[in-house]
Amino acid sequence: DQQVKQNSPSLSVQEGRISILNCDYTNSMFDYFLWYKKYPAEGPTFLISISSIKDKNEDGRFTVFLNKSAKHLSLHIVPSQPGDSAVYFCAARVYSSASKIIFGSGTRLSIRP
Amino acid sequence: GAVVSQHPSRVICKSGTSVKIECRSLDFQATTMFWYRQFPKQSLMLMATSNEGSKATYEQGVEKDKFLINHASLTLSTLTVTSAHPEDSSFYICSARPRKLQLAGGVGEQYFGPGTRLTVT
Repeated sequence: DQQVKQNSPSLSVQEGRISILNCDYTNSMFDYFLWYKKYPAEGPTFLISISSIKDKNEDGRFTVFLNKSAKHLSLHIVPSQPGDSAVYFCAARVYSSASKIIFGSGTRLSIRP
Repeated sequence: GAVVSQHPSRVICKSGTSVKIECRSLDFQATTMFWYRQFPKQSLMLMATSNEGSKATYEQGVEKDKFLINHASLTLSTLTVTSAHPEDSSFYICSARPRKLQLAGGVGEQYFGPGTRLTVT
């Protein structure tokens, strides 16, 4: 069973607008949630994270929101730029392990001019 | 930034043969390296966690005798797919966690390699 789910395989957003990527999880044993960005032919790169005890974390154009009651998190990118076009993976760190991370299936974000 | 390389980037092998994939952290020491497998349009599935100088920890359902992992140094881990079969064809990707980050109790940031596309014919 997939513990971290990204139900939208793709998303298209106009440049300058807000991009919202969503993620749901089923396991309450996650202590951190992370977002990774992946360009073609490259490995994922860490983007932003949020502790399970917080509900918001902001870093420049990127903001992650966590709704623990709904077991849902989202990544907001505003304003969206052409260089943001990539695959975004939602991930969660297992509380019992300092390193084990469970990934979602990814959402391909396309920023159109 | 931290760089992780993988070699080869693509490999085609015949069924029954073995293939080795290398993962190197180029500018940092990594006490922990991870091996993932990704099927098309699916998530990265953690296969195993390897710690330098000790045996790898395999995830449930991953055959340790088929996927041999060696983490002989702080900058190199290898994954050997033994007696490969067509169903082993996949995208294999490694990641490394910097030693200093681990010591500082970091969130779990990992630096990923570019991946290796394995095709077994």
